[in-house]
Amino acid sequence: QVQLQESGPGLVEPSQTLSLTCTVSGDSISSGHYYWNWIRQPAGKGLEWIGRISSSESTNYNPSLKSRVTISLDTSKNQFSLRLNSVTAADTAVYYCATWSVETAVFDPWGQGTLVTVSS
Amino acid sequence: QSALTQPPSASGSPGQSVTISCTGTSSDVGAYNYVSWYQQHPGKAPKLMIYEVGKRPSGVPGRFSGSKSGNTASLTVSGLQAEDEADYFCTSYAGSNIFVIFGGGTKLTVL
Repeated sequence: QVQLQESGPGLVEPSQTLSLTCTVSGDSISSGHYYWNWIRQPAGKGLEWIGRISSSESTNYNPSLKSRVTISLDTSKNQFSLRLNSVTAADTAVYYCATWSVETAVFDPWGQGTLVTVSS
Repeated sequence: QSALTQPPSASGSPGQSVTISCTGTSSDVGAYNYVSWYQQHPGKAPKLMIYEVGKRPSGVPGRFSGSKSGNTASLTVSGLQAEDEADYFCTSYAGSNIFVIFGGGTKLTVL
């Protein structure tokens, strides 16, 4: 059973870079079974897909965020990471990491989520 | 790409049935049988309830069912129970460029 856990700073200053890590257990991120995704949810609002990375390190990003986002893998630590540049208050949200199954086209499982607040 | 349209709220009494709709376009919901539904309790991670329009993962009660007609997908919860009170949101695969679109979410209240 794959399990995911997000980690990173809960507070980021405006114009700085948001950096989060998702630690994967129960499977190798190099296995090729999943795409590894980041998704966010502002308080009281809907979910927004940020981007994904495959085990071969191929990436896809939400066009609305593409210019500011980088997702990468660290196979030695079985982790994948999110970097979001030039953040503003609009980037304040709960950030989730999640697996995407190509076979069933679903996000499952998800991490518990981590709240990131953009404020000075 | 706009979000899938869901009603902001729905409600029903214990034992009743409630249906939540998820309306997209011919480029997403109408084009693919890859509509999924997730349940989210406050402060918790989303849980997969339905995938590929009407399939249930193991462990999800049979009270939950999904269907699709044209550009609209639906989630039906039969025999409502108190623990079904949660937010529900849909997703649809939308092709290789857009990838996936989320619905805005529906808050289900068990009266």
